[in-house]
Amino acid sequence: AQKITQTQPGMFVQEKEAVTLDCTYDTSDQSYGLFWYKQPSSGEMIFLIYQGSYDEQNATEGRYSLNFQKARKSANLVISASQLGDSAMYFCAMREGELTGGGNKLTFGTGTQLKVEL
Amino acid sequence: NAGVTQTPKFRVLKTGQSMTLLCAQDMNHEYMYWYRQDPGMGLRLIHYSVGEGTTAKGEVPDGYNVSRLKKQNFLLGLESAAPSQTSVYFCASSYGTGANSPLHFGNGTRLTVT
Repeated sequence: AQKITQTQPGMFVQEKEAVTLDCTYDTSDQSYGLFWYKQPSSGEMIFLIYQGSYDEQNATEGRYSLNFQKARKSANLVISASQLGDSAMYFCAMREGELTGGGNKLTFGTGTQLKVEL
Repeated sequence: NAGVTQTPKFRVLKTGQSMTLLCAQDMNHEYMYWYRQDPGMGLRLIHYSVGEGTTAKGEVPDGYNVSRLKKQNFLLGLESAAPSQTSVYFCASSYGTGANSPLHFGNGTRLTVT
């Protein structure tokens, strides 16, 4: 089974609108972390936001927030007030706890290509 | 601040040739990783290291070898390149395993094997 599933290969959003990028995960660990990365067309990987499995509050970083629903095993990224510069590939990733190997290895989803339109 | 530096940025190899990709980080990070990125498949872990002198296999290690002789460097070797190894390779590093330890990535190496 896929550990990280991103079901939206591509998404479109109007500038200034909010958009939600879906991510579901599968783990038997109690302690894990969820990350979102942005990859613009230039190719670099940019860390956006982190959510720990024991964090009670949803993580927020500026216009990015993570809608964490632990029982549903989902960690959706919400981008508010989209900008043209948000057009990029977005990856969800999971770090499982020490019981499953640890080492801060991240397992990535296949990504969602977001296009922001005028 | 250089962060994570990968060399070379681009390379074309013929089938059967060998090469080494170099990754260097100046953040004194313990952990280092090599990923490959292929269309529609996200990033997959090739090998990783939890400290100087250590290496471990990731999800797709076949056809690759690594070495971590110095804390700041992590080398990825292809002994006999195959067209299936055409990919973009990313090196990453992290300080530890805590919440404040995201992976920091290099800018990638685009490798084509003909």
